[in-house]
Amino acid sequence: GAGVSQTPSNKVTEKGKYVELRCDPISGHTALYWYRQSLGQGPEFLIYFQGTGAADDSGLPNDRFFAVRPEGSVSTLKIQRTERGDSAVYLCASSVQGGEKLFFGSGTQLSVL
Amino acid sequence: AQSVAQPEDQVNVAEGNPLTVKCTYSVSGNPYLFWYVQYPNRGLQFLLKYITGDNLVKGSYGFEAEFNKSQTSFHLKKPSALVSDSALYFCAVRPRDNYGQNFVFGPGTRLSVLP
Repeated sequence: GAGVSQTPSNKVTEKGKYVELRCDPISGHTALYWYRQSLGQGPEFLIYFQGTGAADDSGLPNDRFFAVRPEGSVSTLKIQRTERGDSAVYLCASSVQGGEKLFFGSGTQLSVL
Repeated sequence: AQSVAQPEDQVNVAEGNPLTVKCTYSVSGNPYLFWYVQYPNRGLQFLLKYITGDNLVKGSYGFEAEFNKSQTSFHLKKPSALVSDSALYFCAVRPRDNYGQNFVFGPGTRLSVLP
């Protein structure tokens, strides 16, 4: 079956612009996670959804970052007024409710010039 | 605060030799423990997990990991390395209780298996 899909695979934007990153989880997976991975580092937790609600958004670095999952499936990570420091690979993962195994997408490489 | 340490940035091993990739953690209680692998230009893939029971867990591609509660370690091992095992390996933990469902990842260890 289809895995976790993330679009776009690459996004180049200018400092100050707004970007949206999309994640389409595995069908039936109620848990959805966003992580950010900078070069040479491990994935850094951003936000976790259980269904439509954000169960834990403690990893969002500031109020420029926001994520939604209105129908409990597809999620969008939104970044306002992008900064060069936001450049990273943004990873999405999903799992069944209470599941211990995460399924990751291939990520979106965001480059802020 | 939860943290995961992988003390080696890079591990080099000759093909056919045993390999170990080290992981230690600092988490309250008894967490769930995981290893994930990241091949070039691909997403992270689950390798194995420790939930409870036998301290030696077996996973995909011939990998295994040993949980040591007293040393708070969860080292990844394989008896005979393959060139195709060359990749980035991440150790991760998740609290066993319901507070916080997020997984915390280590910084990663790059494994290079030399032919």
